[in-house]
Amino acid sequence: EVQLLESGGGLVRPGGSLRLSCAASGFTFSSHAMSWVRQAPGKGLEWVSSISGSGGSTYYADSVKGRFTSSRDNSRNTLSLQMNSLRADDTAVYYCAKSLGGGSYVEDYWGQGTLVTVSS
Amino acid sequence: EIVLTQSPDFQSVSPKEKVTITCRASQSIGSSLHWYQQKPDQSPKLLIKYASQSISGVPSRFSGSGSGTDFTLTINSLEAEDAAAYYCHQSSSFPLTFGGGTKVE
Repeated sequence: EVQLLESGGGLVRPGGSLRLSCAASGFTFSSHAMSWVRQAPGKGLEWVSSISGSGGSTYYADSVKGRFTSSRDNSRNTLSLQMNSLRADDTAVYYCAKSLGGGSYVEDYWGQGTLVTVSS
Repeated sequence: EIVLTQSPDFQSVSPKEKVTITCRASQSIGSSLHWYQQKPDQSPKLLIKYASQSISGVPSRFSGSGSGTDFTLTINSLEAEDAAAYYCHQSSSFPLTFGGGTKVE
């Protein structure tokens, strides 16, 4: 059974940093691209970042480029999102999502999400 | 950036009715369009991949169609448990994007 468990969310002041983690199990982690997708309170889904199975390719939304860094440790089946220079509009539930595999970036399984609140 | 425009934003329907949600892309994306369902306080669930391909475990009343720029999600004979927000999502090119969502009650 695929399981994705996010952690690391919390309250942070504007300009601060936070590191999210996603522990994956139930599938061959290194064979699947992974993504972060966020959802601001009461709003729709916003893609944040994707990383290839090897970790050699990363992609970012313009809204986070230069501030967020996605990485993965395939030996530990862990995905991470380092978030720096946080702003109030980064407040959202952050979901970790697994892709279909075979080079696809279509997310087929999602974690339960972790809430990030940026406020003074 | 490929913009996905969903319509309607909101639809109120009765059980057993048919629901049609459309998603229009700002440029051609082939069949790289996917549909998700999100129930309140839950994470999104993949319903349809690549415009019309079914997903194991998803009820057959959910179907998708379209290609290029115009896509449709159809829910035949709506059930009460289908009350949710529905999102389209394109994987044709980065940045990946989502439609604004359609709330079905």
